[in-house]
Amino acid sequence: EAGVTQSPTHLIKTRGQQATLRCSPISGHTSVYWYQQALGLGLQFLLWYDEGEERNRGNFPPRFSGRQFPNYSSELNVNALELEDSALYLCASSATGVYGYTFGSGTRLTVV
Amino acid sequence: GESVGLHLPTLSVQEGDNSIINCAYSNSASDYFIWYKQESGKGPQFIIDIRSNMDKRQGQRVTVLLNKTVKHLSLQIAATQPGDSAVYFCAELTSGTYKYIFGTGTRLKVLA
Repeated sequence: EAGVTQSPTHLIKTRGQQATLRCSPISGHTSVYWYQQALGLGLQFLLWYDEGEERNRGNFPPRFSGRQFPNYSSELNVNALELEDSALYLCASSATGVYGYTFGSGTRLTVV
Repeated sequence: GESVGLHLPTLSVQEGDNSIINCAYSNSASDYFIWYKQESGKGPQFIIDIRSNMDKRQGQRVTVLLNKTVKHLSLQIAATQPGDSAVYFCAELTSGTYKYIFGTGTRLKVLA
């Protein structure tokens, strides 16, 4: 069984640009979660999608947004990139109602 | 590989010894807890979980202890092996939110 897959693995953007990160959940999982892991910090909750809808959001500005597609894959968009957005962005998935996540390996976003 | 934190507390143990990693959680309403292991360049991997109606749970070579009175969680690893070297995170969750609050992590180094 394929795990949670994220693309791209690495992404380099210039300040002010937009970044799009993608996530494919484990087959059968309907919930997708996004976390930011900045260097030296723990994981910070960004977004939770379930059945195509945003269910919960962390304390991040509106320029962090996303969506979930009918096939349950998800995109995270970060607009007007700032240097402080450089981090590892982790996607996780779970079946509806299950608390245990399975994480992907992440996308390393570097803003220069 | 990815660095998950440059200034994490570090626990160094001899191969074969037992390891104890501690975590203080923040929300007295949290009723579900997970320990994750993150190796360099990878996403966090589930180790073991525990619900708030329990104070101990055992897995293969791992034991999680929960003390709700002082909001403390610990992970015990028996007969620590070189493959256990990683960063370990505890995470707490309140039922229904599906939003984990992660600790900042502890780096475990296993000395040969």
